Amino acid sequence: ETGVTQTPRHLVMGMTNKKSLKCEQHLGHNAMYWYKQSAKKPLELMFVYSLEERVENNSVPSRFSPECPNSSHLFLHLHTLQPEDSALYLCASSRNRGLNEQYFGPGTRLTVT
Amino acid sequence: GENVEQHPSTLSVQEGDSAVIKCTYSDSASNYFPWYKQELGKGPQLIIDIRSNVGEKKDQRIAVTLNKTAKHFSLHITETQPEDSAVYFCAASFNTNAGKSTFGDGTTLTVKP
Repeated sequence: ETGVTQTPRHLVMGMTNKKSLKCEQHLGHNAMYWYKQSAKKPLELMFVYSLEERVENNSVPSRFSPECPNSSHLFLHLHTLQPEDSALYLCASSRNRGLNEQYFGPGTRLTVT
Repeated sequence: GENVEQHPSTLSVQEGDSAVIKCTYSDSASNYFPWYKQELGKGPQLIIDIRSNVGEKKDQRIAVTLNKTAKHFSLHITETQPEDSAVYFCAASFNTNAGKSTFGDGTTLTVKP
């Protein structure tokens, strides 16, 4: 148990659906991250939030929309996804945005049909 | 940008033997190098990290070495156990890109009992 929880753990959605992924951290951290993990590819950073402000958007398509209402919660809103978006989506948090240990959640396995 | 290469992609060892995983990076400005272990169905978990001001760090059976001149760092696991079986990722990041790490492709380690 890392102190970072993600729901749902598994999600199957059609290309026309709208869904949201949720992440919550109980560590009192100030920075939160979304990563995409695809088979045979390195972890890809999608978004970074520091003190609820988005500080990094790593050229992610607009069909992925993050939201950080407070420093403990992070959402990833999904709409009109493509099959190639199927992957494991990992949330992480760290004490600050600097060179600190990142704590990862267990991920949401997303399948787009 | 930073580029991290990790080798080997798969590694199989006998229980009790040592395992070594190597990573090279391209940006000499990188100064933080974490290693993560990812077990099946879980998110990555930090197991050890090293900063550029030291050449070696050890934590029980795990050690990391860093050669800044050659721009490579390695993970060493001694007296391997079946529970060490997992995917291991290296990463590199630097101050001006705080919070943004570049990950290697991962190494699948199998420890045979």
